[in-house]
Amino acid sequence: ETGVTQSPTHLIKTRGQQVTLRCSSQSGHNTVSWYQQALGQGPQFIFQYYREEENGRGNFPPRFSGLQFPNYSSELNVNALELDDSALYLCASSPTPFWAEAFFGQGTRLTVV
Amino acid sequence: ELKVEQNPLFLSMQEGKNYTIYCNYSTTSDRLYWYRQDPGKSLESLFVLLSNGAVKQEGRLMASLDTKARLSTLHITAAVHDLSATYFCAGIYGGSQGNLIFGKGTKLSVKP
Repeated sequence: ETGVTQSPTHLIKTRGQQVTLRCSSQSGHNTVSWYQQALGQGPQFIFQYYREEENGRGNFPPRFSGLQFPNYSSELNVNALELDDSALYLCASSPTPFWAEAFFGQGTRLTVV
Repeated sequence: ELKVEQNPLFLSMQEGKNYTIYCNYSTTSDRLYWYRQDPGKSLESLFVLLSNGAVKQEGRLMASLDTKARLSTLHITAAVHDLSATYFCAGIYGGSQGNLIFGKGTKLSVKP
């Protein structure tokens, strides 16, 4: 167990809808990164939050947005869902953005129909 | 831009045999990571390799890093069924932890 928890674990949404995924970081960790893992692929970096500010973003459109709260938990919001958004969404927390190791949560499996 | 390639992508082994998974990366990476993922599960950190020549071992798994060749290897010794999983290597781009660039993964199946 890494101490990083994500909710919900599974979710089914309809194309065009909006979704919010949540991540509670490990105690003492102020950095949260989000990744998307499509079936059979490696995870792809979406963005990172450090002390409530976005601290880097991967090649994802603006309909992917996020927040980090004062307790360092985080949300990933996806608007106008597309079928290709179906994936496992992973968050990882670390004590700083440059810490050698990140700890991943169990993931949220999103299915868009 | 950092690119990470793993091979093989699929590996079927017999118990007791040895094998190596290779991870090549295209440009300088500050660190190299190895993760394990069981079906439907999250990523479990196996090794973080920080410098050229680094070698780390845990049980039947040993990882090494050659930064000059831009190559990391994950060696499996005397495989057992419990090692069946998908193994990912990842490099880091831009310094920040969030910019991990993953390979496509190697799906390992260890058969009796």
